[in-house]
Amino acid sequence: GDSVTQMEGPVTLSEEAFLTINCTYTATGYPSLFWYVQYPGEGLQLLLKATKADDKGSNKGFEATYRKETTSFHLEKGSVQVSDSAVYFCALRGAGKLIFGQGTTLQVKP
Amino acid sequence: EAGVTQFPSHSVIEKGQTVTLRCDPISGHDNLYWYRRVMGKEIKFLLHFVKESKQDESGMPNNRFLAERTGGTYSTLKVQPAELEDSGVYFCASSQDPSGRFETQYFGPGTRLLVL
Repeated sequence: GDSVTQMEGPVTLSEEAFLTINCTYTATGYPSLFWYVQYPGEGLQLLLKATKADDKGSNKGFEATYRKETTSFHLEKGSVQVSDSAVYFCALRGAGKLIFGQGTTLQVKP
Repeated sequence: EAGVTQFPSHSVIEKGQTVTLRCDPISGHDNLYWYRRVMGKEIKFLLHFVKESKQDESGMPNNRFLAERTGGTYSTLKVQPAELEDSGVYFCASSQDPSGRFETQYFGPGTRLLVL
């Protein structure tokens, strides 16, 4: 069945460091791909999405490119801030429902 | 526009008791989903309503879980009797139209359930 695998955390970075969170997927067909973020004490928020191969989703300085050849959707940000500390979830949409990875906790230190 | 709301935000119960979680979707959203994250693992799909009908309940773990959406507005998820392994965060999400590939699901803040 469809599945999503994320790099394990926690990831600890200093402010202004470069961020990469790896995400790979297994799916039949060409699913839409998403990154959701959960800030402390809040619900899941859609961060960005891509709906077809080579699409780049971007938001708040974060980017991810839908790579069909490597079945990946890695999340990147050039310079993280303390306020980016959160749990990040990669997901694909299959048959209506979302299938999530296990989540990656990011902690950014000043 | 109000987002997806869930009640309660936290619930602590003893094994064998009953708990009912409530979700109010965004007004006008016909599609309502329940998900669960257990023990810091991945978020897993439980079920999907379209209006008041269950479209997909393949993720419901067992018959101790009962979801309803009377009238196609808010939904409840009842766990009876609760077991230790039911502890986790229960998320609700809603969307307007799942027929397209570009549908976005909007999530609520979740209910944190602890079964002792």
